[in-house]
Amino acid sequence: SQTIHQWPATLVQPVGSPLSLECTVEGTSNPNLYWYRQAAGRGLQLLFYSVGIGQISSEVPQNLSASRPQDRQFILSSKKLLLSDSGFYLCAWSGDRVGNEQYFGPGTRLTVT
Amino acid sequence: GDSVTQMEGPVTLSEEACLTINCTYTATGYPSLFWYVQYPGEGLQLLLKATKADDKGSNKGFEATYRKETTSFHLEKGSVQVSDSAVYFCALSDLGTGGFKTIFGAGTRLFVKA
Repeated sequence: SQTIHQWPATLVQPVGSPLSLECTVEGTSNPNLYWYRQAAGRGLQLLFYSVGIGQISSEVPQNLSASRPQDRQFILSSKKLLLSDSGFYLCAWSGDRVGNEQYFGPGTRLTVT
Repeated sequence: GDSVTQMEGPVTLSEEACLTINCTYTATGYPSLFWYVQYPGEGLQLLLKATKADDKGSNKGFEATYRKETTSFHLEKGSVQVSDSAVYFCALSDLGTGGFKTIFGAGTRLFVKA
């Protein structure tokens, strides 16, 4: 069966520090991968999605970036965190057809102080 | 661009009441439509989906019909239970410039009182 892992589960970082969140998927190959941010009362905001290694599409311009160095690994990064980057970050994967559902990881709670 | 609009919450109902959560969408292509649910302390999971116009998705007593003419996908349940208390997200999946992507609505929190 397929599983999706995210780490760390929680993170407290000072403003201006770098960020690296990792997501890995097991039990499937060539998944579509997604990064979302869930802010309180604001639903899920799609940040990045990827259909293959090295292929990243950005939905929202900001100081975050994403990379996919391996087929089942998706990394969310920042060189300098802002207070507004605080939130709950979710990684998800799906098959490569439009009707495929998404499967979500457990999420990372990021607090920027 | 694509977008999903759903009714603001929270919605508070008594047990056995009828539920409707409205959802409308804007899409450039022919999207698939989904409802996801997030129970307290748990991750998001799929509740139901519909992949083409007039399809009805159903699960756990919930149902929603893909209405292309009104660009809507309203979630309904005839008799809610306390265990249905959760946040419900409407979503669409469509072909973007970089492949298939899924856009979510803001979510609607439902409280069901005994």
